[in-house]
Amino acid sequence: GESVGLHLPTLSVQEGDNSIINCAYSNSASDYFIWYKQESGKGPQFIIDIRSNMDKRQGQRVTVLLNKTVKHLSLQIAATQPGDSAVYFCAENRSGGSYIPTFGRGTSLIVHP
Amino acid sequence: DSGVTQTPKHLITATGQRVTLRCSPRSGDLSVYWYQQSLDQGLQFLIQYYNGEERAKGNILERFSAQQFPDLHSELNLSSLELGDSALYFCASSVGGQPAYGYTFGSGTRLTVV
Repeated sequence: GESVGLHLPTLSVQEGDNSIINCAYSNSASDYFIWYKQESGKGPQFIIDIRSNMDKRQGQRVTVLLNKTVKHLSLQIAATQPGDSAVYFCAENRSGGSYIPTFGRGTSLIVHP
Repeated sequence: DSGVTQTPKHLITATGQRVTLRCSPRSGDLSVYWYQQSLDQGLQFLIQYYNGEERAKGNILERFSAQQFPDLHSELNLSSLELGDSALYFCASSVGGQPAYGYTFGSGTRLTVV
């Protein structure tokens, strides 16, 4: 498949381990955050979102934590599988108006069988 | 299949040339967004159209232009191409004019300028 990017932070884990991917955002007015997964040769896909009135949200095998004090997001993937290998992006958004979400550069997750 | 269709998947062209990338949004979505993804810059927002009208503009070069047609499909025109324009170009769509709940992305067009 096509390579999304060669100049990204990389996280390598063993299958079955838990993965934590971090993201710092810049705009203190951002009130909605999204994690996307981008597999090789595909467009980014929505994984999970969180609003600024929450500090934790859980999905299926994924948890997003939000720390507004230090403007930090993390994505935790439980029992990481080879199919989780992808580039993960966080996006910050601000409700109302015509604000366009800003994407971080992404982290490449490599899961070794 | 996300429901957002982009064509072509791959495009190879020479410097100085002009190309057109096409995007059909997901059924029911009125907004189309164009993004450029390169090795060094990550996902960069170019431009948004909502129901045929330009809604927001990002880091789009003057050599680039876009439009959204009455059937809501969109085209991104890239002219006087340079080597640095080589990138993945993504289209995304959303129901409303402001993507409060995120986008749906297409699979992208890989542009290679030689």
